[in-house]
Amino acid sequence: DGGITQSPKYLFRKEGQNVTLSCEQNLNHDAMYWYRQDPGQGLRLIYYSQIVNDFQKGDIAEGYSVSREKKESFPLTVTSAQKNPTAFYLCASSDVQGRDTGELFFGEGSRLTVL
Amino acid sequence: AQSVSQHNHHVILSEAASLELGCNYSYGGTVNLFWYVQYPGQHLQLLLKYFSGDPLVKGIKGFEAEFIKSKFSFNLRKPSVQWSDTAEYFCAVNAPGGYNKLIFGAGTRLAVHP
Repeated sequence: DGGITQSPKYLFRKEGQNVTLSCEQNLNHDAMYWYRQDPGQGLRLIYYSQIVNDFQKGDIAEGYSVSREKKESFPLTVTSAQKNPTAFYLCASSDVQGRDTGELFFGEGSRLTVL
Repeated sequence: AQSVSQHNHHVILSEAASLELGCNYSYGGTVNLFWYVQYPGQHLQLLLKYFSGDPLVKGIKGFEAEFIKSKFSFNLRKPSVQWSDTAEYFCAVNAPGGYNKLIFGAGTRLAVHP
């Protein structure tokens, strides 16, 4: 089935460690996104990428990094510089091709807990 | 900067009650508006969207939303809720040319009791 796969689903990390969250899509979508979901704050955009080898910061990019070497993949690294990394992370993709449709397709999410 | 406000964080209803969830956005230009839904244990998915034309938009599962430009609002409604509507609902806005870079509200958690 076509969709977005995020891994791992649950992740624990010690303070000071970097961790990378995987996001793979087989929808042949051009654009991919990372959002962070916190209770009572909704979804906040971390990074997004419209095409391969290009990405832009979202509203809360500090302490995060991404890469877009392949169309299908958009991994997110949560670095030790992120002050409050415990959260639920959602990856999404959309079929842009010069159009705004507003329809994002989301993965199941990765829950990161920093101990 | 654009922002989206959802007035109710938690709503509890009995089955067959009517639902209205408020959403206001702050952006002076032309916008595209959306409601997304996250059912327990499922992916976030698109419920309905407004781009232009008829300000009353119908979505899946009997939901509808009305765009009122003068009030910067896009409220979600359903005449009669069911237990299966229990979910978290997110309003979102996208300025045209934004490559689907959506700004989401804080979400409203709806619980429907049988």
